[in-house]
Amino acid sequence: DAMVIQNPRYQVTQFGKPVTLSCSQTLNHNVMYWYQQKSSQAPKLLFHYYDKDFNNEADTPDNFQSRRPNTSFCFLDIRSPGLGDAAMYLCATSREGGLQPQHFGDGTRLSIL
Amino acid sequence: EDQVTQSPEALRLQEGESSSLNCSYTVSGLRGLFWYRQDPGKGPEFLFTLYSAGEEKEKERLKATLTKKESFLHITAPKPEDSATYLCAVHTGGGTGNQFYFGTGTSLTVIP
Repeated sequence: DAMVIQNPRYQVTQFGKPVTLSCSQTLNHNVMYWYQQKSSQAPKLLFHYYDKDFNNEADTPDNFQSRRPNTSFCFLDIRSPGLGDAAMYLCATSREGGLQPQHFGDGTRLSIL
Repeated sequence: EDQVTQSPEALRLQEGESSSLNCSYTVSGLRGLFWYRQDPGKGPEFLFTLYSAGEEKEKERLKATLTKKESFLHITAPKPEDSATYLCAVHTGGGTGNQFYFGTGTSLTVIP
C-alpha cells in the first residue's frame, strides 16, 4: 500500500544535541509538509516543499531546518533541541498544493533529556 | 488574524446518540476546509474536503457541512470505534502558497 512512513517512531535526544527525523513516501506526491504537534494542541505547520521549492512558515524557529534530496524523502533537522521542542512531529504529503487532502505518517515522538 | 476554533473540546456520547461537532473559522479567503480523524499515537486520517458554502459530504455515519463561517461534522448513531479526536483544518491562499491552520480538535468518546 502506498503510504507515508516516518522513522523512528520514538526519538530521545539530549538537550542541545542535533537530531534528524526522516520521512519517506510511496505516493509520488509533489508536496511534503512537516508539522509540530504538542500535547492537546493543533498541528502547527513548520514548512513544506513543493517539489524542490522550500517554503518556510514565518514563525518557524531557525533551529529547525529541512532537506528534501528527492521526491520520496524529506528530513527534519533540529540543530540544537531545547526542552520546548519535545513534541510529535508529523510528516504529510499531497498530490499538488492547497486544495488536495494531505496524507499523514504516524509521526515521530521526540523527547528531550 | 486567521483563526480556527473547534467545539466542544471533548464530547462523550452513548452508542447510538447522534451529535454534531463544530469548526468555526475566521480566515481571509477560504480555499478549502478539511476534516481529519486522529487516533492516539497516529497521524491524522483524511475524511472530507469542503470547498464552498452549502456543500455537504457523507461517509458512513459521518456528514460534513459548510457555511461561510463554520463547518459541522454530524455523527449519526455513533459506535465505540468512532472514538477519536476530530480535527478540522482550513486552507487559505492559492497556488503553492499553502497556508494551513488546524483547530485543536474535538475528542470524541463513544460509550458502549
